[in-house]
Amino acid sequence: DIQVTQSPSSLSASVGDRVTITCRASQGISNGLSWYQQKLGQAPTLLIYAASSLQSGVSSRFSGSGSGRDFTLTISSLLPDDVATYYCLQDYAAPYTFGQGTKLEIQ
Amino acid sequence: EVQLVESGGGLVKPGGSLRLSCATSGFIFSNYKLNWVRQAPGKGLEWVAYISFSGRDMYYADSVKGRFTISRDNGGNSLYLQMNSLRAEDTAVYYCARVKIETDTDAFEIWGRGTTVTISS
Repeated sequence: DIQVTQSPSSLSASVGDRVTITCRASQGISNGLSWYQQKLGQAPTLLIYAASSLQSGVSSRFSGSGSGRDFTLTISSLLPDDVATYYCLQDYAAPYTFGQGTKLEIQ
Repeated sequence: EVQLVESGGGLVKPGGSLRLSCATSGFIFSNYKLNWVRQAPGKGLEWVAYISFSGRDMYYADSVKGRFTISRDNGGNSLYLQMNSLRAEDTAVYYCARVKIETDTDAFEIWGRGTTVTISS
């Protein structure tokens, strides 16, 4: 089974900062990685699919990069509304696996 | 409007059974792969099960294999999760999620709001 390691587990940044979250897969997964945002008490929402494609309706401040084993989610300029927990998901092959999550807070 | 609405959650004793449903609308149900994902209180997301378009192919997390069964009714536009031999560690919010098409990956594009399952004596 493919394991995914996400880091950091928590992050505190200021409005306007550039924020980066990473995921590493235990083996190559091509572009089979997606990113999700989950606000408190809500269901997750898809931000990025196929490692770097922006989901329709999602702010262009969000971007994804990477292929193979290493992937990155970047928020270019942090806004208060970005407070949430972010997860990566390897959707390359079942059993699918989520990263452990990154809790993002505003300083 | 695309909608996924879970139901069937509740309080069950350890060893008991529960059947979750996910009613869908707003899209051609049989064109989409589907999944169940769960989230224990205060914890992260855990993928539970997958089912293909036709229902012929199914995959499960090791933590539920042999106890949970995913199924679908393409005529009734519904997804199901039969959960047997329930344990305290199955306590979670259960989400159904539709896979995105128009791509060669299986991102979870649309999610329901979830239904809460509590396993306790």
